[in-house]
This record gives sequence, structure tokens and C-alpha cells, in this order.
Amino acid sequence: KTQVEQSPQSLVVRQGENCVLQCNYSVTPDNHLRWFKQDTGKGLVSLTVLVDQKDKTSNGRYSATLDKDAKHSTLHITATLLDDTATYICVVGDRGSALGRLHFGAGTQLIVIP
Amino acid sequence: EAAVTQSPRSKVAVTGGKVTLSCHQTNNHDYMYWYRQDTGHGLRLIHYSYVADSTEKGDIPDGYKASRPSQENFSLILELASLSQTAVYFCASTTGTGSAETLYFGSGTRLTVL
Repeated sequence: KTQVEQSPQSLVVRQGENCVLQCNYSVTPDNHLRWFKQDTGKGLVSLTVLVDQKDKTSNGRYSATLDKDAKHSTLHITATLLDDTATYICVVGDRGSALGRLHFGAGTQLIVIP
Repeated sequence: EAAVTQSPRSKVAVTGGKVTLSCHQTNNHDYMYWYRQDTGHGLRLIHYSYVADSTEKGDIPDGYKASRPSQENFSLILELASLSQTAVYFCASTTGTGSAETLYFGSGTRLTVL
């Protein structure tokens, strides 16, 4: 059973627009949540890690929130660029150490058009 | 900049043949992982290792072996490749010291079994 659900499955936006990606999960315990960016044919690159019960992070044009009570996270991308075209993957870690399991979502494919 | 290098980048193998995928990291990380990615699904853990000369089974180890001859190198071995093992394989590494530690991924190996 899929424990990390991402929506939408795909999204097309115009360059300069903002967008929001959603991640809902049922993983228990939920120690932390990560967002990754995966360019086509490339590996995953870490964008941010959220740890606290209600957490917020900001990394340039990327900002993320986590609400562990709702088991929900969002990734906001502001003023999108063509280079933001990629798949964004939500990952929930069930422990605070590297021996814990990471539960991967299938990703949201974002396409930014001129 | 942390680096994880996978080889080969792509591989075509015949059913029943032996395949070895290699991963090399220069990050001085203790933890290394092998994941597979199938279209429309999240990454799944095959094997991992937290020290040289030792490997552990992940969530889907059947049909795969792993080898960690040194801290820097981690191989994934398919003794008898099957059609169902066609996928993209990713290696990753981390220090393993905490939940906020960055996870570094290689660029992936696209394996096609015919």
C-alpha cells in the first residue's frame, strides 16, 4: 500500500507563475520529511528537510511546510523558471537515523513553459 | 561538493545473465544504499550498508546481492537477470548521523533486461 501520496501527478505552469505541490502520507512514525528535485535522467537532489511537528523551511524560491498532525506537506515554488522543470519527490523518514526507512512518493512532474 | 558516481550509465543485459552495477562515493560516508525506480512508483530500497564488508537487506532484496568491499565502493549484483529487473537503479550515500543529514544520489543506471 502506498504510504506517500503526491498531488497533482503532473502540473504545467507558465514561467514566472507560482505553484504548490502537495504530499500526504500515512507513515508512522514520521520522524522527518524531505523534498527532492529530479531532473530527467538524473539523480535526486535534496531541496529541504523538515523535522518539527509544524515546520517551515525556505531555500531561495523553494519553501516548504510540514504539519505532522495532518501528515501533510507542501512545496511552494515562487516565480518559476524553465529550469524548474523536473519531478519533485516527497520522502518520509520513519526514524532519526540512517537505519530508518525512507518512504518515497511517486513524484509530481512539473513542466514550466515559456 | 559531495559526489556519488555510478557505472555504467546504462546497460542492456540478457535474461539469465549476470549484471554488476557499481557505485563509488568520495564523501567519506558510512551509509550507502541501492534503490530501484520504476515508472510511476516511488524508489524502493534493495540493499544498504553502514560499514565496509557488511551489507543488509532492504525491502525488495530478492534476486539481488550487494557487496561493500571498501567504504567508497558499493556494488549491486544480479546473478540471474530477469525481465522484471528492468528499471533505473540509484545509489545513495549519507553520513548517517541524524535525520537532517543530506542524502546524496548518483545519476542512476538504466538497466534493460531482454
